[in-house]
Amino acid sequence: QKEVEQDPGPLSVPEGAIVSLNCTYSNSAFQYFMWYRQYSRKGPELLMYTYSSGNKEDGRFTAQVDKSSKYISLFIRDSQPSDSATYLCAMSEGYGQNFVFGPGTRLSVLP
Amino acid sequence: SAVISQKPSRDICQRGTSLTIQCQVDSQVTMMFWYRQQPGQSLTLIATANQGSEATYESGFVIDKFPISRPNLTFSTLTVSNMSPEDSSIYLCSVVGGGYNEQFFGPGTRLTVL
Repeated sequence: QKEVEQDPGPLSVPEGAIVSLNCTYSNSAFQYFMWYRQYSRKGPELLMYTYSSGNKEDGRFTAQVDKSSKYISLFIRDSQPSDSATYLCAMSEGYGQNFVFGPGTRLSVLP
Repeated sequence: SAVISQKPSRDICQRGTSLTIQCQVDSQVTMMFWYRQQPGQSLTLIATANQGSEATYESGFVIDKFPISRPNLTFSTLTVSNMSPEDSSIYLCSVVGGGYNEQFFGPGTRLTVL
């Protein structure tokens, strides 16, 4: 079993849809959870950052962490064509320690 | 957030040669990382380069192949030595900063080895 697994995609949705992206993990020591967006031929861009369990909202984006289930999600509301990218989840045990990335989900939002 | 630049942005190199990639950060950071991202794949950590100490390499990566320098808190280089086509990849540097455990990435260097 891989340390971090992510819905493989690709995922295509119509503009305005609600998108749910998910990752599961096996290491219960992970405490820091991040979502990155990566456009083609660009470096990953940090979207959301969460420490421990709970929800965090930023505009159209909501990150959820359920440590008891070892499951994290990123929700995108009112999706736009500009949201079309690969989304990577990442996790870490401690500050600067052992960042582990999921394989990524490619999302296409169709106008 | 930190602003990170990399040079070169892309290069095409011949087998057996070496390429040095530069990473410049707009603020002083202790922790810097080098990753490789092969086409359609996620990120693989090559090494951690903290200023004032030797780089720490992940399993499968060795210093002779990927020597790293970290002369100060804003700059690092990664050299890909004796290149083969299997080294064709995107190489990314990143830093941890902002007081939280947030990792920021440079734009990447796209390397093609013929």
